[in-house]
Amino acid sequence: EVQLVESGGGLVQPGGSLRLSCVASGFSFSSQWMSWVRQAPGKGLEWVANIKKDGSESHYADYVKGRFAISRDNAKNSLYLQMNSLRAEDTAVYYCARDYITSFGVPNDYWGQGTLVTVSS
Amino acid sequence: DIQLTQSPSFLSASVGDRVTITCRASQGISTYLAWYQQKPGKAPKLLIHTASTLQSGVPSRFSGSGSGTEFTLTISSLQPDDFATYCCQQLISYPRTFGGGTKVEIK
Repeated sequence: EVQLVESGGGLVQPGGSLRLSCVASGFSFSSQWMSWVRQAPGKGLEWVANIKKDGSESHYADYVKGRFAISRDNAKNSLYLQMNSLRAEDTAVYYCARDYITSFGVPNDYWGQGTLVTVSS
Repeated sequence: DIQLTQSPSFLSASVGDRVTITCRASQGISTYLAWYQQKPGKAPKLLIHTASTLQSGVPSRFSGSGSGTEFTLTISSLQPDDFATYCCQQLISYPRTFGGGTKVEIK
């Protein structure tokens, strides 16, 4: 059974940093691209970043570029999101999700339960 | 960035109703579109990819259609388990933007 379990969320002051983790099981983690997607309270989904199987390539949304860094450790079946210079508008549930390759694009077929990040003084 | 506009944003329907949700893209995206279902406090669930391909395990009452800039998600006969929020996502370019969502509630 595929499982994705996020951790690391919490309350942080504006300008602060936080590192999210996601541990994967039930599939060959090193064979899959992985993503982070977030959802602000009461709002829609917002794609954040994704990373290639071997970590050699990544993509970011403009609203986090330069502040967030996605990484992975395939030996530990783990995905990370280092978040720096946090702003109030980064407050959201952050989901780890597996990229699913299809003929027309790469949706996310498995998602974790999410971890809440609250940026507030 | 490609913008996705969903309509309606809110829909009230009864069990057994046929429901159609529309997703319009700001530019052509061929069939690079997915649909998700999300229930309160839960992670999204992939329903459809490639605009019309049902994900494994998803009931056949769900269907998707469209290409280019206009897409639809149809639930042929709404069931109690289907009351949720539905959103589309474009997959042709980064960032992989989502639509604003359509909340389907019980009439």
